[in-house]
Amino acid sequence: EVHLAESGGGLVQPGGSLRLSCAASGFTFSDHWMAWVRQVPGKGLEWVANMKPDGTMIFYVASVKGRFTISRDNANNLVYLQMSGLRAEDSAVYFCARDVNGGYFDNWGQGTLVTVSS
Amino acid sequence: VLTQSPGTLSLSPGERATLSCRASQIIRKLAWYQQKPGQAPRLLMYGVSTRATGIPERFSGSGSGTDFTLTISRLEPEDFAVYHCQEYEFGVSKTFGQGTKVEIK
Repeated sequence: EVHLAESGGGLVQPGGSLRLSCAASGFTFSDHWMAWVRQVPGKGLEWVANMKPDGTMIFYVASVKGRFTISRDNANNLVYLQMSGLRAEDSAVYFCARDVNGGYFDNWGQGTLVTVSS
Repeated sequence: VLTQSPGTLSLSPGERATLSCRASQIIRKLAWYQQKPGQAPRLLMYGVSTRATGIPERFSGSGSGTDFTLTISRLEPEDFAVYHCQEYEFGVSKTFGQGTKVEIK
């Protein structure tokens, strides 16, 4: 059974940094694209970033380019989202998701809450 | 841009639900997700009309061009949730609709 577990969320001041982690299990991690999707509570979903299995293709939503970095550790089945220059509008629940060939998302973690506030 | 309508659909168990997702340009790659309060989204449909693993037959997807529909033939109590559509046509980016809430009337 596919399992994705995010960690690393919390309260951070504007301009600060945070690194989210996602531990994957139940599938061959190194065969799959991975993604981060966020959701302001009570609002819609927003794709943030995704990454090809070998790391040769990486994409970001325009609002986080230059501030967020997605990376992965295929040896340990981990995917990360390094966030810097955080803004209030980055406050959201961040979901890790398995991405089907850079398209849709067939498995999701439970999410981790990031709050950017002074 | 994906626009979902209605924002809220008030129906009774056993009724048919019809949810709309309209794209601002022609797409062929569309997925639908179900999300219950406090939970992660769950993939329902991809490729417009292909049900994901374990999704009951009462869920169906249809449409083409810019207009797409998710239909739930007979609502079960567990189907009351928020439904999101997502396009993945353009490779480098993906867009979600704002969601439709299906609530118990």
